[in-house]
Amino acid sequence: AQSVTQLGSHVSVSEGALVLLRCNYSSSVPPYLFWYVQYPNQGLQLLLKYTTGATLVKGINGFEAEFKKSETSFHLTKPSAHMSDAAEYFCAVSDRGYSTLTFGKGTMLLVSP
Amino acid sequence: DARVTQTPRHKVTEMGQEVTMRCQPILGHNTVFWYRQTMMQGLELLAYFRNRAPLDDSGMPKDRFSAEMPDATLATLKIQPSEPRDSAVYFCASGSPGPGGTYEQYFGPGTRLTVT
Repeated sequence: AQSVTQLGSHVSVSEGALVLLRCNYSSSVPPYLFWYVQYPNQGLQLLLKYTTGATLVKGINGFEAEFKKSETSFHLTKPSAHMSDAAEYFCAVSDRGYSTLTFGKGTMLLVSP
Repeated sequence: DARVTQTPRHKVTEMGQEVTMRCQPILGHNTVFWYRQTMMQGLELLAYFRNRAPLDDSGMPKDRFSAEMPDATLATLKIQPSEPRDSAVYFCASGSPGPGGTYEQYFGPGTRLTVT
């Protein structure tokens, strides 16, 4: 069965600082990979996804993630944090050809002025 | 702007009562998912449907939970009888196959259920 590990339940950064949220997956075959964001009292919104092709994926709001097969990782980054980025971020995986997602526990991003 | 809608957004009920949550998937999406989110367990998949047929409900407590899709525009999740441990946010998501068989799931705003 797939599993997803997000290192750090909370990450704090200052406004303007680099954002790095970590995600590792366990799978014998490279899966499809996703990052979702959840703002307070809202549903999850897709930030970006990796399926095939270029391993550096760009998403909305200036976020990007890089698929590294050798490290089984799909870390999310943003060069400069904004206050509006404060939210919970979820990494998710699905087996190729399947529709269900397995989510990580989530990382709460806190941005201070 | 197509969205998944869920009703009610909030529900407070007493233990033992029946709870029904409704979801309207995005028009044209053929797969509907129900998730539960709690602080302790995170996001759990309860059940999902494709073309209105249930494919997997192994995540649901069978004795009290039931999920149906009476038609392509409505999915329901029922809890009878409800218990305090059912307190959570319940999300519906919908999607359709994209390139390579991947699915993007679009989430509704959730129903926050409190059982006292």
